[in-house]
Amino acid sequence: GQQVMQIPQYQHVQEGEDFTTYCNSSTTLSNIQWYKQRPGGHPVFLIQLVKSGEVKKQKRLTFQFGEAKKNSSLHITATQTTDVGTYFCAGPRYSGGGADGLTFGKGTHLIIQP
Amino acid sequence: NAGVTQTPKFQVLKTGQSMTLQCAQDMNHEYMSWYRQDPGMGLRLIHYSVGAGITDQGEVPNGYNVSRSTTEDFPLRLLSAAPSQTSVYFCASSYYDRDNEQFFGPGTRLTVL
Repeated sequence: GQQVMQIPQYQHVQEGEDFTTYCNSSTTLSNIQWYKQRPGGHPVFLIQLVKSGEVKKQKRLTFQFGEAKKNSSLHITATQTTDVGTYFCAGPRYSGGGADGLTFGKGTHLIIQP
Repeated sequence: NAGVTQTPKFQVLKTGQSMTLQCAQDMNHEYMSWYRQDPGMGLRLIHYSVGAGITDQGEVPNGYNVSRSTTEDFPLRLLSAAPSQTSVYFCASSYYDRDNEQFFGPGTRLTVL
């Protein structure tokens, strides 16, 4: 079945360093979404990418969607303690007909050392 | 707006007990879904609904039932709890499309002994 893989599983950085997480799908995606989950919290939507090669920025966060629409990345510049959490990518989940929900990657846990 | 609300926040069950996890949203979203989150496993879709009276199975539906009698409510029922159902359960909703931005509730942490 469809798989969405994320690496790395854990990333330790010093505050102020950059951080990148990568997402790869076994199938071509119509769109990809990114979510952030703070420790003990719930996933919160960050962004959706739709177009091949799309790049979007949100302050220190840069999101990219690959040309083949099978991979994506999230890059954080100059991490801050508020960036701590788990970052998930998610793509449409197809079962038979159209999409019925999302398939999530297993997430990248960002740990920041002050 | 309260968004997506879930009750209870925490629950401990014994094997074989049944219970219902409540989920409600006040955003008039047609699509609602349930996910479970296990350590190292990400989120997996249990059941979903595209509108009142319509439900369907997701990736891991066994041991769970759902119903959707109103647009606002989407309860998840555990028929006979098993230790393998120990997890964090999230309800989510979205406008129109099933693969669009999802709004998640705060979650229910369930332990089955």
